[in-house]
Amino acid sequence: DSGVTQTPKHLITATGQRVTLRCSPRSGDLSVYWYQQSLDQGLQFLIQYYNGEERAKGNILERFSAQQFPDLHSELNLSSLELGDSALYFCASSAQGPKLSGAFFGQGTRLTVV
Amino acid sequence: GESVGLHLPTLSVQEGDNSIINCAYSNSASDYFIWYKQESGKGPQFIIDIRSNMDKRQGQRVTVLLNKTVKHLSLQIAATQPGDSAVYFCAERETDKLIFGTGTRLQVFP
Repeated sequence: DSGVTQTPKHLITATGQRVTLRCSPRSGDLSVYWYQQSLDQGLQFLIQYYNGEERAKGNILERFSAQQFPDLHSELNLSSLELGDSALYFCASSAQGPKLSGAFFGQGTRLTVV
Repeated sequence: GESVGLHLPTLSVQEGDNSIINCAYSNSASDYFIWYKQESGKGPQFIIDIRSNMDKRQGQRVTVLLNKTVKHLSLQIAATQPGDSAVYFCAERETDKLIFGTGTRLQVFP
């Protein structure tokens, strides 16, 4: 168990809908990363937050947005969903600071758009 | 750049043999690297990391080698076991991003 919690584990929704994925980082971690993984593909970096502020952005679509709350949990919002958005969405957290540290991943949310 | 993995290379090894998984990274300014293991349907699991001021680091049954000259990273797994079967990703830290490589599927057969 990495200590990173993602909910829900599975989500099935229709095209055009909007969903929210939730991530609780490990205790004490200030950074949260979001990744998308399509079938048999690598991990595509979407966005990173540090202590409530956006720190880095990857290939995140305009239909997607995220935020990190004062209690450090994060939400990824996906709107106007398309079939191609079906994927595993992973959240990872890390302790940011002078010391470099690894990012630890949750078990992911499997999103199926039908 | 960002990783796009369309076809995962596969490494097949016999149980008990040593495995070497290779990774080429893209940014010479990356200062920190991590190897992850991902089993089917699960999140990537941290295996071992290395900073750019090192060229070798050992863990339990695993060794990571870093060659900054050619921007190459490798993961060596000693005495490979069936439980090592998974997809292995290297990741490089570019400022605040953690960028993943394509991944290699490791298959262990008896």
